[in-house]
Amino acid sequence: KQEVTQIPAALSVPEGENLVLNCSFTDSAIYNLQWFRQDPGKGLTSLLLIQSSQREQTSGRLNASLDKSSGRSTLYIAASQPGDSATYLCAVPRNTGKLIFGQGTTLQVKP
Amino acid sequence: DTEVTQTPKHLVMGMTNKKSLKCEQHMGHRAMYWYKQKAKKPPELMFVYSYEKLSINESVPSRFSPECPNSSLLNLHLHALQPEDSALYLCASRGPVTDTQYFGPGTRLTVL
Repeated sequence: KQEVTQIPAALSVPEGENLVLNCSFTDSAIYNLQWFRQDPGKGLTSLLLIQSSQREQTSGRLNASLDKSSGRSTLYIAASQPGDSATYLCAVPRNTGKLIFGQGTTLQVKP
Repeated sequence: DTEVTQTPKHLVMGMTNKKSLKCEQHMGHRAMYWYKQKAKKPPELMFVYSYEKLSINESVPSRFSPECPNSSLLNLHLHALQPEDSALYLCASRGPVTDTQYFGPGTRLTVL
């Protein structure tokens, strides 16, 4: 049974810091991993999807890495801004397309 | 265009009411999903439609009834809900190429 864990549950940093969010999964037989952002009361915004054959993906100040053998993914946010404050979720799919989500990391970036 | 739209944004209903949630996408995706999300929890899958056919029902109570009238539309019909059904209901779609799931903004449902 696939289980996805995100640590820490909450993180508070001053503006401008670089930070790393962690995601681990128990079954390494994944075919991709997706990172989402969710603002309070809103839907999920897809940030990055890494295929199992890839090691990392980049979009602007975001960089996501994937290490299947160790069951880990990280989301690196460079030069954080108050607008980055949100909950970040990672998810891996079953072959049915059902996403197994972590519990999320709630990020607060203080001005 | 990677947009999934949902209506209404907010819905308040009594336990005896019948209402429907609507989801629409025009990305040509043939897989569509309903999720339920409670506060401070990740989304929980309810239903999956693939090529307009129900492929997964995650043991959801029959007071929730999904419908997929065509490849762009997904409805969730609600009847005789309970207060504990109050939540954010999210729709998503997935394309065949990138596997990325795109989520709508959600409907905030309150059952009185």
